[in-house]
Amino acid sequence: GENVEQHPSTLSVQEGDSAVIKCTYSDSASNYFPWYKQELGKRPQLIIDIRSNVGEKKDQRIAVTLNKTAKHFSLHITETQPEDSAVYFCAASKGGSYIPTFGRGTSLIVHP
Amino acid sequence: KAGVTQTPRYLIKTRGQQVTLSCSPISGHRSVSWYQQTPGQGLQFLFEYFSETQRNKGNFPGRFSGRQFSNSRSEMNVSTLELGDSALYLCASSLDEGNYGYTFGSGTRLTVV
Repeated sequence: GENVEQHPSTLSVQEGDSAVIKCTYSDSASNYFPWYKQELGKRPQLIIDIRSNVGEKKDQRIAVTLNKTAKHFSLHITETQPEDSAVYFCAASKGGSYIPTFGRGTSLIVHP
Repeated sequence: KAGVTQTPRYLIKTRGQQVTLSCSPISGHRSVSWYQQTPGQGLQFLFEYFSETQRNKGNFPGRFSGRQFSNSRSEMNVSTLELGDSALYLCASSLDEGNYGYTFGSGTRLTVV
């Protein structure tokens, strides 16, 4: 089955710095890669996603890049703010009746 | 548009008891998945229901079961509770068959004492 590795498990940055979280996947048939943000005590929420026919997608301060050849994708957050502090999960899915496989999560801490 | 609703939000049970959790997906969503979340363990997949049928199942013991009704609402049941079952149980619904774009509920926090 699919295996998703996510790194780092913890990331500590200063406000205003950039943060990068990386994920690798094993199944080349995966074609949809969402990212979820879970603030403390709250539910995971979809913040950005990318499909395999696209190499990069941006939404204001966040962006996701995908390298299908290397089977890895990354979340980039620029100009980090304290409210970006949360656990971020990546996932890989191949659609159809297959459920997505999640990474183990990255705890991002943004220090004011 | 109402989100995914999970009830109850908090639950305290004693070892050996059973518990039933409920999830109402977004209107029109036919796929409902359940996850167990514990500190350091991320999101552990329990099972997924689509059109009242269990379509996928994770690696959990048979004490964990679920079902889905014709209106897409889903329930999960845990029998003979153990201390290790204490966790946040999240339900997620999806519109497409491909499970694209989950919307999670706020979860049920289960504490087993």
